[in-house]
Amino acid sequence: SSVLTQPPSVSVAPGQTARITCGGDNIGAKGVVWFHWYRQKPGQAPALVVSDDNDRASGIPERFSGSSSGKTATLTISRVEAGDEADYYCQVWDSSSNHYVFGTGTKVIVL
Amino acid sequence: EVQLVQSGGEVKKPGESLKISCKASGYTFATYWIGWVRETPGKGLEWMGIIYPGDSETKYNPSFQGQVTISADRSINTAYLQWNSLKASDTAIYYCARRALRPEAWFDPWGQGTQVTVSS
Repeated sequence: SSVLTQPPSVSVAPGQTARITCGGDNIGAKGVVWFHWYRQKPGQAPALVVSDDNDRASGIPERFSGSSSGKTATLTISRVEAGDEADYYCQVWDSSSNHYVFGTGTKVIVL
Repeated sequence: EVQLVQSGGEVKKPGESLKISCKASGYTFATYWIGWVRETPGKGLEWMGIIYPGDSETKYNPSFQGQVTISADRSINTAYLQWNSLKASDTAIYYCARRALRPEAWFDPWGQGTQVTVSS
């Protein structure tokens, strides 16, 4: 089955840049893979941050940006603030299995 | 405003049945797929399955096929997730979420989540 791997945690000082990677070798064998990103704050439901690799969702500041290359994507958070502390998940549709796959999740810790 | 509102938390015993709901508002319910996602501390988010309320076409993650049933009632704009016989391992938070129009798309918005606790 498909697996999207993320680092378990990323620690960053306020004002610095956090980068979260997401990748899977056996996803999307039939074509282009689109990566989407969600933020989940403690006690809340996940919420969309970036869709289609790099489109920010409504209300998401420009400090959040996404990029991808083949079967790997990166969510970058610039000028990190204390309020960015949360769990972040990537998600794709795996065309080879017709299923949706979430990444393993990354906890962003603001020092 | 597009909104998904889920039913409240449940505490059940192993072997009991359960049906939780997800009521949609602010858009044409029949024309967007609704997915269900499980959250557990050990495994994070897992996609369980998805339903198209327009014709009730349903697709399941093989890991959940046969374990749960996803359904929808267009007359009341509500999607459901049900179990016939709960296990302790079903203890989790369950979210519904609307999928954007393309198959390869994202889920937005999400319901607030329903905590299901299964314990003897």
